[in-house]
Amino acid sequence: AQSVTQPDIHITVSEGASLELRCNYSYGATPYLFWYVQSPGQGLQLLLKYFSGDTLVQGIKGFEAEFKRSQSSFNLRKPSVHWSDAAEYFCAVATRSNDYKLSFGAGTTVTVRA
Amino acid sequence: EPEVTQTPSHQVTQMGQEVILRCVPISNHLYFYWYRQILGQKVEFLVSFYNNEISEKSEIFDDQFSVERPDGSNFTLKIRSTKLEDSAMYFCASVPPSGSNEQFFGPGTRLTVL
Repeated sequence: AQSVTQPDIHITVSEGASLELRCNYSYGATPYLFWYVQSPGQGLQLLLKYFSGDTLVQGIKGFEAEFKRSQSSFNLRKPSVHWSDAAEYFCAVATRSNDYKLSFGAGTTVTVRA
Repeated sequence: EPEVTQTPSHQVTQMGQEVILRCVPISNHLYFYWYRQILGQKVEFLVSFYNNEISEKSEIFDDQFSVERPDGSNFTLKIRSTKLEDSAMYFCASVPPSGSNEQFFGPGTRLTVL
């Protein structure tokens, strides 16, 4: 069955420390991969996406993600977090065969401590 | 920069009442979607719409739900007889005609059913 897994429900990180959020997917073919961020009470903002090509993609706000086909993973990273990065992060997957509808992971809540 | 808009931002209704949630997608986009997010849960796909018809719907999208694109700009989600469990944030999204497959999300409508 197709699925998106974010193993970490909640991560706490110190301001200035690095952050890595994990995402694994289970799909028949290479899907389109996305990371979205959601601040409390807000909508979904796209951080970055991967469709093809270079497996290391750069996004907004200093985030990057690496697609690893062998591990079916698309982990999100940021070298140095800021307090404003406290939010919920969703990994999402789409396929052409499904009309590009997005399937979301359960999300990871990031808390940033001073 | 063009953006997806949604109205109202918050709708409160009584159980059993009909509600219509409105979305104005980006003007040249061709694929349209509704998603919902129950408080504290992940974002779930409801329905996709292309070429003036539903292309896919989830098991959540039962007979109480319908979508329309009545005038070529608005894209509406109707819930015929609301239930308490319909309380959620509803997001509209659209995809441009070719290339990126990126979904552009609206800010959402928070529906509260009492």
